Amino acid sequence: GAGVSQSPSNKVTEKGKDVELRCDPISGHTALYWYRQSLGQGLEFLIYFQGNSAPDKSGLPSDRFSAERTGGSVSTLTIQRTQQEDSAVYLCASSATGTSGRSATDTQYFGPGTRLTVL
Amino acid sequence: SQQGEEDPQALSIQEGENATMNCSYKTSINNLQWYRQNSGRGLVHLILIRSNEREKHSGRLRVTLDTSKKSSSLLITASRAADTASYFCATEDSWGKLQFGAGTQVVVTP
Repeated sequence: GAGVSQSPSNKVTEKGKDVELRCDPISGHTALYWYRQSLGQGLEFLIYFQGNSAPDKSGLPSDRFSAERTGGSVSTLTIQRTQQEDSAVYLCASSATGTSGRSATDTQYFGPGTRLTVL
Repeated sequence: SQQGEEDPQALSIQEGENATMNCSYKTSINNLQWYRQNSGRGLVHLILIRSNEREKHSGRLRVTLDTSKKSSSLLITASRAADTASYFCATEDSWGKLQFGAGTQVVVTP
């Protein structure tokens, strides 16, 4: 496929369980972003990967949240000991470049998201 | 906290009318982007305007940017029922990080 894909599309879990959300960016895109969108709200930045650089984790809401990006491609967002307030749609986006201080700017292409419901 | 703030929060218009929404932001930006989202999923990029641009057009969309006022507007002309969606502005800083506003919900009635 040509777009960003995410899996699962929906995830229902019980409070206290761990969940893993997956993102497959567009092939060749070096920058990858995770966002969270609560019901009726705008997108909240979580984490940003650019190539082999250390990720920008400034948006992660707590230490229960972590993400990794293996081989510069697929990324996994992990939420440990889920809480009800973690319920949201988690969106992944990728772009061709994302190097700090770059002069060119690139569109971020979003995946369809994973709707997480914590019971 | 969110960088961009859209105004109004909700907008209801009839087909054929124009829809205008505004976005204000707080810090310096690399560019400003507008996105559309249907049914809470599927964020679609509409238009990007760079910090050195003042106006940009794409089909029925017109975007303006006033960096002195730290504001942008999105105009949808001759609206259609299919334009019903939430519209978000997002500002991109020099590090490539996007910060979104809370969005404007637009409803276009036939």
